[in-house]
Amino acid sequence: NAGVTQTPKFQVLKTGQSMTLQCAQDMNHNSMYWYRQDPGMGLRLIYYSASEGTTDKGEVPNGYNVSRLNKREFSLRLESAAPSQTSVYFCASIRSGTPKETQYFGPGTRLLVL
Amino acid sequence: GDSVTQMEGPVTLSEEAFLTINCTYTATGYPSLFWYVQYPGEGLQLLLKATKADDKGSNKGFEATYRKETTSFHLEKGSVQVSDSAVYFCALREAGGTSYGKLTFGQGTILTVHP
Repeated sequence: NAGVTQTPKFQVLKTGQSMTLQCAQDMNHNSMYWYRQDPGMGLRLIYYSASEGTTDKGEVPNGYNVSRLNKREFSLRLESAAPSQTSVYFCASIRSGTPKETQYFGPGTRLLVL
Repeated sequence: GDSVTQMEGPVTLSEEAFLTINCTYTATGYPSLFWYVQYPGEGLQLLLKATKADDKGSNKGFEATYRKETTSFHLEKGSVQVSDSAVYFCALREAGGTSYGKLTFGQGTILTVHP
């Protein structure tokens, strides 16, 4: 049982390049989330997927797209990376009906946009 | 909107020292309060929580008391160990009678404990 896994662990991009951050969970959870963490700020919600086939915007969705590929996988895409998207990205998942604070978090992807 | 403010880090302590990490919040109503811990290379884990005023959350020797009068939820441990070195996040979930409310996180405090 690996929990929540994220790939890659670290990535460097040039401005304007695109990339997809991958997230997978093996706990049969319904809901999945993408957060970003910036220095001096807490985690902020980018997008979430309450269940397979649905996605919704969080606090800071601009510049991102998501895909809930199946129940296990929830990817985050940057179509044209900008330096302002330099951050640490966390994926999380939770079983529906359980308190939100018990989300399981992945180890994070550190992204640097030059 | 809701917000959470943590003390600036990093915090560096010797083993067996007393730890306090301050956390204050701004929210309407009566939010639930949490502390998360992130060990190196791992995701955030829920450490403890308190859901109403004067509640004390505790886990692994850590404690925090929900103080409505001072809007605070300070994390304490009487004797830290090297293995406690991690990043600690204070967070709240908005009030409203639902478990699904938005989570608001503080900026995190890095703790390093030396032998």
